[in-house]
Amino acid sequence: GENVEQHPSTLSVQEGDSAVIKCTYSDSASNYFPWYKQELGKRPQLIIDIRSNVGEKKDQRIAVTLNKTAKHFSLHITETQPEDSAVYFCAASKGSNYQLIWGAGTKLIIKP
Amino acid sequence: DVKVTQSSRYLVKRTGEKVFLECVQDMDHENMFWYRQDPGLGLRLIYFSYDVKMKEKGDIPEGYSVSREKKERFSLILESASTNQTSMYLCASSSRAGSSTDTQYFGPGTRLTVL
Repeated sequence: GENVEQHPSTLSVQEGDSAVIKCTYSDSASNYFPWYKQELGKRPQLIIDIRSNVGEKKDQRIAVTLNKTAKHFSLHITETQPEDSAVYFCAASKGSNYQLIWGAGTKLIIKP
Repeated sequence: DVKVTQSSRYLVKRTGEKVFLECVQDMDHENMFWYRQDPGLGLRLIYFSYDVKMKEKGDIPEGYSVSREKKERFSLILESASTNQTSMYLCASSSRAGSSTDTQYFGPGTRLTVL
């Protein structure tokens, strides 16, 4: 069935450095790719999304890139700060119905 | 601001008990979802609903049922709780019926422990 693979499962970076999280999807009909951030003890919240007609989208220090041919998309965080520490989930729309297919999550640790 | 609330933050039940988890959203959203969150497995969809009295199975519906009698309320029912249903349960809602591309707004979660 359709799935989304997310790597790495844990990422530790020095404060101020960049972080990159990668996801690969299998459903060629997927056309919407959101990223959610879940801080410890809190609910997931959408931080950025991209649709299949766009290759890159930026919002301040975060950006998402999409390669439809290779079926992968990535989240880039520049100049990381302590408040970026969280679990990040990628997802892809399911071509056949209303669902999102979720990645397993990446725990991002920002070292001071 | 969209507000999604869940009836309990923490719940402890015994094996075999019937368990009700309730979710309420206040933004007139059409879609509502129930997820289960376990470490290393991400968010797994149990059931979703795109209209009152309508429901669709997600990826892991076994052992669960749902009820949506009113638009703002979506209930998850564990008919006979088992220890392997110990987990964090997250409810979510999104605005347009049948759309997978709208932002999902999550509730705070219910951590259920089944003894």
